[in-house]
Amino acid sequence: KAGVTQTPRYLIKTRGQQVTLSCSPISGHRSVSWYQQTPGQGLQFLFEYFSETQRNKGNFPGRFSGRQFSNSRSEMNVSTLELGDSALYLCASSLGTGTGNSPLHFGNGTRLTVT
Amino acid sequence: AQSVTQLDSHVSVSEGTPVLLRCNYSSSYSPSLFWYVQHPNKGLQLLLKYTSAATLVKGINGFEAEFKKSETSFHLTKPSAHMSDAAEYFCVVSTNAGKSTFGDGTTLTVKP
Repeated sequence: KAGVTQTPRYLIKTRGQQVTLSCSPISGHRSVSWYQQTPGQGLQFLFEYFSETQRNKGNFPGRFSGRQFSNSRSEMNVSTLELGDSALYLCASSLGTGTGNSPLHFGNGTRLTVT
Repeated sequence: AQSVTQLDSHVSVSEGTPVLLRCNYSSSYSPSLFWYVQHPNKGLQLLLKYTSAATLVKGINGFEAEFKKSETSFHLTKPSAHMSDAAEYFCVVSTNAGKSTFGDGTTLTVKP
């Protein structure tokens, strides 16, 4: 079974631009979560999508948005990029049963650098 | 509300000696608990999970963890460290609402 695939692997953008990151979950997984990882703040939860609906949301500004398609693939978008948005963005998929005991399966992340 | 505290931000051991990474949790519900490992520039990989079955959980690569409800702990251990175990480790608590809370991580260094 193919793992979680994130594209692109690396991105360099300029302040004020916008960016779209893509995540393809493991086949059969209906939940996709996004995380931002930085040395200073650690791993922070952005949002979770299940069956095309946002089910949980972290504490990030509205510049961060996401969506999920009918095939469970997900995208996240960051508009008006700031230097502080430089981070490793991780996507994780799971069965999403809502019971809490489905483990997360992570992709290798997208490394975003904002200059 | 739920929270996770990893008691050590850095742990250093010599190759061949035991590893102990400590995790305490707080949860209003019966939690599911996980340990993940992250190697540099990689995503997180599941080591093991506890979901209210046996309190001693065995994972991959020789790791295991013991759930102690009275101490609200879920410490990760390995009898003998290997150089390839050097990585960052995350303890995670998850509720039945499907929300996961991550600890701040413990960086494990293994000296030859």
